[in-house]
Amino acid sequence: DAGVIQSPRHEVTEMGQEVTLRCKPISGHDYLFWYRQTMMRGLELLIYFNNNVPIDDSGMPEDRFSAKMPNASFSTLKIQPSEPRDSAVYFCASGGQGTGYGYTFGSGTRLTVV
Amino acid sequence: GQSLEQPSEVTAVEGAIVQINCTYQTSGFYGLSWYQQHDGGAPTFLSYNALDGLEETGRFSSFLSRSDSYGYLLLQELQMKDSASYFCAVPSNTGKLIFGQGTTLQVKP
Repeated sequence: DAGVIQSPRHEVTEMGQEVTLRCKPISGHDYLFWYRQTMMRGLELLIYFNNNVPIDDSGMPEDRFSAKMPNASFSTLKIQPSEPRDSAVYFCASGGQGTGYGYTFGSGTRLTVV
Repeated sequence: GQSLEQPSEVTAVEGAIVQINCTYQTSGFYGLSWYQQHDGGAPTFLSYNALDGLEETGRFSSFLSRSDSYGYLLLQELQMKDSASYFCAVPSNTGKLIFGQGTTLQVKP
């Protein structure tokens, strides 16, 4: 298994631009999570899906952030417009019934907004 | 809501034993997980405790006391490669996983 795949690994963009982060979860996993990590705020849960349905998006900072999961093998996190304070590492993670709470994280996308 | 507290930093020498504590407050309790994250890497799952007691996996062990809302991760025979951040995390009944702020472990020669 290739694990959770995220793209791009690094993204540098200008303030005001749209940013789209992508995630392919492990096949068979029915949970997908988007986390953001910064030094100041640690690992924050932004949103998570179960069977492609958003369950809890209370961690999404504001309307500039949106996430979709059109099918079991793909999810996107979009920021529009981006701001410098969005600079962080964004992780996608997946898990399933058989994994307990041992979720698998992708390598992350390091986003820098200048 | 859920909140977790763990020390921000711990330092130990190679070959020693170190314990990283975690206390939690949750509206419902479904277990305590531990993750390791090396600098620049992704969090990786180490262990999960649903019941009281000690779970051992090689050099790493995890302990839970539900009555004390407390758990710890025990690392034995420390190696330089164990230098990393360690996070405790609690799941909700819907599968959501909330992480503590993390403990940075520095292993010195």
